[in-house]
Formats: sequence, C-alpha cells, structure tokens
Amino acid sequence: DFVMTQSPDSLAVSLGERATINCKSSQSVLYSSNNKNYLAWYQQKPGQPPKLLLYWASTRQSGVPDRFSGSGSGTDFTLTISGLQAADVAVYYCQQHYKTPYTFGQGTKLEIK
Amino acid sequence: QVQLQVSGPGLVKPSETLSLTCTVSGGSVTAYYWNWIRQSPGKGLEWIGYIYYGGGTDYNPSLRSRASISIDTSKNQFSLKLSSVTAADTAVYSCARALSFGERWFDPWGQGTLVTVSS
Repeated sequence: DFVMTQSPDSLAVSLGERATINCKSSQSVLYSSNNKNYLAWYQQKPGQPPKLLLYWASTRQSGVPDRFSGSGSGTDFTLTISGLQAADVAVYYCQQHYKTPYTFGQGTKLEIK
Repeated sequence: QVQLQVSGPGLVKPSETLSLTCTVSGGSVTAYYWNWIRQSPGKGLEWIGYIYYGGGTDYNPSLRSRASISIDTSKNQFSLKLSSVTAADTAVYSCARALSFGERWFDPWGQGTLVTVSS
C-alpha cells in the first residue's frame, strides 16, 4: 500500500499569513504516461465530511478559492493556503488516487495563532 | 447538484453484519464509481471499496474478506455490508463519488453516520 505521511500534525498560523502543509508518499504517484500526479487534498471541518480542494496535485476543484494551491511531484507535495482566514480552520488531508487501496494522510490540524 | 445520504443502524453487535445504504439524489448511479470510506480516531480515513455502475467492485485488501458493496439502480442507491464486525469497526461511515477509473478523487461525500459496534 501507498503510505501517505503528512507534516506537521498541527500548526497555528496568524490571520493573513501563509500556511504550508506537506505530504509525502511512500511511492511515486506520478503516472508517466500522462505526466499527472495522482494526489488530492481535502479540507474537513468539525461535523462535516471532507471537502475536495485539489486533484492532480494542483488543480483546484470548482468553487475553491485561489488562496489554496498545491505543488510537488512524485513523492513530495505541498498544500499552501495564502492569506489565512478564520474559515480555513480545519483538518487537511492528502490522498493518493494512483492505485487501490486509495490511502490518506493522517491529517494536519490548522488553527489560528 | 449530486447529494449523497447515508442511512442504517447506528449500533451493531459484535460478530453481526453492518449494513448501510447510500442514496444518491440529483444524479444517477448509472455512471461513475461509488465508494465507501470510514473514519475512526485510531485509523484515520480508510477507503473500504467501490462499485462501478456496471457492477464491478474493488475492495481494500484489509477488508476484502468481510466487505460487500452492491448497487440498486431502481432505487438510485448503493449499499455496504461488513460481516463479523468487532469493536475495531466502530467508525463514521461515509459514501462518496469518484468520476472515473482515472479520476479517483472523492467528490461529493455524504454526511457520515457513526456506527458503534457494541453488545
């Protein structure tokens, strides 16, 4: 199985500042035939199911603010939230959609400093 | 706008079978890949399996011997059965859609339901 490891487990960032969350896969999720990284990011708020933010590592889902961006390739990826807002307080997860069983990172809890 | 709703018992006895149904509204189950995912404090988010509208399935190897997913196109629903449950199966169970075999991110998700395994 692909093991997804996120860092840090939690972080506190001031309003208006930038938050950076990392995700590392135990195997490459880059599919060579189409040069796409099979990596998604989700946001989960208390009492709600996860919400898709990004797929193909950097493609924003419709309706997601451009403050959310993704980067990386192969095994190392980053979710960046610019201009942090109070509404961004949540747990963030990465997920590989390269191969079954699809697996998730353990989550990163984002709080306001 | 597609919406998913999970229904089923919130309490299951050890060794019995957990049964949940996901009802899809605003779209048809005769397309896409329909998934079950669970979330527990101990194991985090765990993909259980999917069913393709044509009836094909795939499961997490960790649950393959106990899990079964079926689809009822007449009711626009798909279902999960998990047999021989133990306390380790206590989790919030959610359903979610994936677009295609090559687009296997999950969106949207249904509101999860807590299933507790206890006598």
